[in-house]
Amino acid sequence: DIQMTQSPSTLSASAGDRVTITCRASQNIGSWLVWYQQKPGKAPNLLIYKVSTLQNGVPSRFSGSGSGTEFTLTISSLQPDDFATYYCQQYHTDWTFGQGTKVEI
Amino acid sequence: QVQLVQSGAEVRRPGSSVKVSCQFSGDNFSGTTIAWVRQAPGQGLQWLGRIIPIIGAGNYVQKFQGKVTINADESTRTVYMDLRSLKSDDTAVYYCATLRESGYLDYWGQGTLVTVSS
Repeated sequence: DIQMTQSPSTLSASAGDRVTITCRASQNIGSWLVWYQQKPGKAPNLLIYKVSTLQNGVPSRFSGSGSGTEFTLTISSLQPDDFATYYCQQYHTDWTFGQGTKVEI
Repeated sequence: QVQLVQSGAEVRRPGSSVKVSCQFSGDNFSGTTIAWVRQAPGQGLQWLGRIIPIIGAGNYVQKFQGKVTINADESTRTVYMDLRSLKSDDTAVYYCATLRESGYLDYWGQGTLVTVSS
């Protein structure tokens, strides 16, 4: 099984900060990397797919990069609505999620 | 625009089974891959499996082979997820979602809480 490891598990930040979350795959997954945002009590919301393609309607402050085994999600200027938990997901072999990164105030 | 509406919360005893439904509205139900994902309380997301209604057979993550059955009813545009031999650690919110070719889940149901308790 491909394991996805996110870091950090929790990130404390302030509005306006630049935030970076890392996702590492246990083996090469090419560009099959997706990012979601989830708020408490809600279903996850798709942010980015194929490493860096922004889903329609997602603000441009979100961006993704990486390839192979190491990937990043960057929020260029954190907004109050961005405090949430973020998950990466691979689709190279079966499907697995990272354990999540909680972005808190 | 796709909308997925799931059935309501369920409580089950250990050893029993539960069936959760996911009703699809929008275009091309038969050709749309529907996936199931679960989230235990305070935990992360876990894939269960998927189905393409026009094909009919579910495809499952190895861990859930024999535990989960996913099927679809094209006449009612509904996908079902059947979970058996329930244990307390099956307590979770179960989500259905549309799975696209590039591997992402873009439309999600509202989630169904399944509680397994004696």
